Amino acid sequence: DAGITQSPRHKVTETGTPVTLRCHQTENHRYMYWYRQDPGHGLRLIHYSYGVKDTDKGEVSDGYSVSRSKTEDFLLTLESATSSQTSVYFCAISAQSIEQYFGPGTRLTVT
Amino acid sequence: GQQVMQIPQYQHVQEGEDFTTYCNSSTTLSNIQWYKQRPGGHPVFLIQLVKSGEVKKQKRLTFQFGEAKKNSSLHITATQTTDVGTYFCAWNYGGATNKLIFGTGTLLAVQP
Repeated sequence: DAGITQSPRHKVTETGTPVTLRCHQTENHRYMYWYRQDPGHGLRLIHYSYGVKDTDKGEVSDGYSVSRSKTEDFLLTLESATSSQTSVYFCAISAQSIEQYFGPGTRLTVT
Repeated sequence: GQQVMQIPQYQHVQEGEDFTTYCNSSTTLSNIQWYKQRPGGHPVFLIQLVKSGEVKKQKRLTFQFGEAKKNSSLHITATQTTDVGTYFCAWNYGGATNKLIFGTGTLLAVQP
């Protein structure tokens, strides 16, 4: 498996609280992505990054922000968590336009 | 927006039977990728197809890209219990940035 870690792996939080998920890679890959996975929807792209401080929106970016201050770290922030953001969040990395390597996922529950 | 439909959503087979999942788009796709996700796991890349009519094989898995590049299929011959999981197709619509739109996936259950 590629060197990707996500933290935390599980989190329960209350509606309205801020939440930050971290993705860390040791592969020095240029591209990093955040997805959410929900039953019946497959994986949907939230935000992606094409370099340090270079980010852009994906399909379902409302309510989420990201930051990438170092090549190896990509942070996903929910400014004010809502129950609709309960999901499994996957980080992925890619060196070029072929395969993406996924992290182990973070299961987030917003109560 | 662009959608990639995948059928069936679920298939249950006896070990040794064949399995096929289909991916369809209303518009022409530049490429198609396939991923497998084991229960409780993360998606793992299997293959990418880019050419019209392309067929690729990986042991018991056969991947096809339609002539019109609007559909793709994954066929598993003689399923094994290790094939259990969800199979996703995905379209790279972002070119070099590799932004993907995923199909909804097909969950394969294999009964020994």
